[in-house]
Amino acid sequence: DAGVTQSPTHLIKTRGQQVTLRCSPKSGHDTVSWYQQALGQGPQFIFQYYEEEERQRGNFPDRFSGHQFPNYSSELNVNALLLGDSALYLCASSFTGTGTSYEQYFGPGTRLTVT
Amino acid sequence: DAKTTQPTSMDCAEGRAANLPCNHSTISGNEYVYWYRQIHSQGPQYIIHGLKNNETNEMASLIITEDRKSSTLILPHATLRDTAVYYCIVRSTGANSKLTFGKGITLSVRP
Repeated sequence: DAGVTQSPTHLIKTRGQQVTLRCSPKSGHDTVSWYQQALGQGPQFIFQYYEEEERQRGNFPDRFSGHQFPNYSSELNVNALLLGDSALYLCASSFTGTGTSYEQYFGPGTRLTVT
Repeated sequence: DAKTTQPTSMDCAEGRAANLPCNHSTISGNEYVYWYRQIHSQGPQYIIHGLKNNETNEMASLIITEDRKSSTLILPHATLRDTAVYYCIVRSTGANSKLTFGKGITLSVRP
């Protein structure tokens, strides 16, 4: 059973460019959350997708957008890249059911460097 | 979600128990305590969670005080591979709420 996978592993972009990161959730999961982790900090919540819609959003500008596909995989898009967008981008998947607690399982992340 | 407070770092000897404390004095009745860890340059790994009863799984035990204002994660026999940043997170129930990470506690296991 494959866990959460992310691609690419590493990416180098120039300021002002646009980037797309991809995530495939763990088998059986239908919800995908994205987090940004700057060096030396804990991950910060960007947004969450369920049923192909954005369900929750953290304090990130509109330059950050996403999409969820019918197979539950997801993309994170960042436009007009800034140097400060350099970070590890983490995808986490979970299952939205009728219970009350939902463990999120993380992928290995995509390391984005903006120069 | 309630805020948590953890020491910045701690260490323990390999083979001994590692007890990682967490304060969450503003936790409310419908909030769970979650623990994740992050080994260098990897994604966070789920360890355990609990509401008010103590919990144990193959990785660790979680002890929550009766007033729920603090908790302790116990790794019963720490190994060098347990060296990581450990995050204590208080999270509301309901539809898959977000995880709010602090800076966590860096555990160093020494040989």
